[in-house]
Amino acid sequence: GESVGLHLPTLSVQEGDNSIINCAYSNSASDYFIWYKQESGKGPQFIIDIRSNMDKRQGQRVTVLLNKTVKHLSLQIAATQPGDSAVYFCASHEGARQLTFGSGTQLTVLP
Amino acid sequence: NAGVTQTPKFRVLKTGQSMTLLCAQDMNHEYMYWYRQDPGMGLRLIHYSVGEGTTAKGEVPDGYNVSRLKKQNFLLGLESAAPSQTSVYFCASRTGNTDTQYFGPGTRLTVL
Repeated sequence: GESVGLHLPTLSVQEGDNSIINCAYSNSASDYFIWYKQESGKGPQFIIDIRSNMDKRQGQRVTVLLNKTVKHLSLQIAATQPGDSAVYFCASHEGARQLTFGSGTQLTVLP
Repeated sequence: NAGVTQTPKFRVLKTGQSMTLLCAQDMNHEYMYWYRQDPGMGLRLIHYSVGEGTTAKGEVPDGYNVSRLKKQNFLLGLESAAPSQTSVYFCASRTGNTDTQYFGPGTRLTVL
């Protein structure tokens, strides 16, 4: 079946540095990808998404890169702030199928 | 708009007891979902609904039932709770025009 996995369960960065969170997916037919942020005790919050007809998409301080050749997705956070500390999930789906979620990366921002 | 709300926030059950979790959304979304989240694992889909009066099974439906009698509400029922159902439950919804799901704050359920 389809699987989505994150490369590292934890990531620590210095405040002000850029963060890169990686995700790999197994289904080459996946056509939609999304990143969520989950703070402790809260529900997942939408960050940014991208479709398979794009390689890059930018939001406010965030960029998602999609490499379909190696089935890899990354989330870049510019000038990481203490409020960015959270668990980050990627998810993907193919067509009308339901989203498949990765297990998450805990991002810790160090002062 | 309140977005997606869940009731209750916390609950402790004994094995064999039943309960219903309520999800409500005020965004007029067609699609609604129930997920469970366990430590070290991604969100897993329990059941979902593509519109009022419809429900479908997700990845882990056993031991749960759902109902979507009103468009704004999606109920998740546990008829006979088991310790394996200890988890955090999240509801989500979306329109039929986008793939972006919006999540509620979660219900933490413990089954003793």
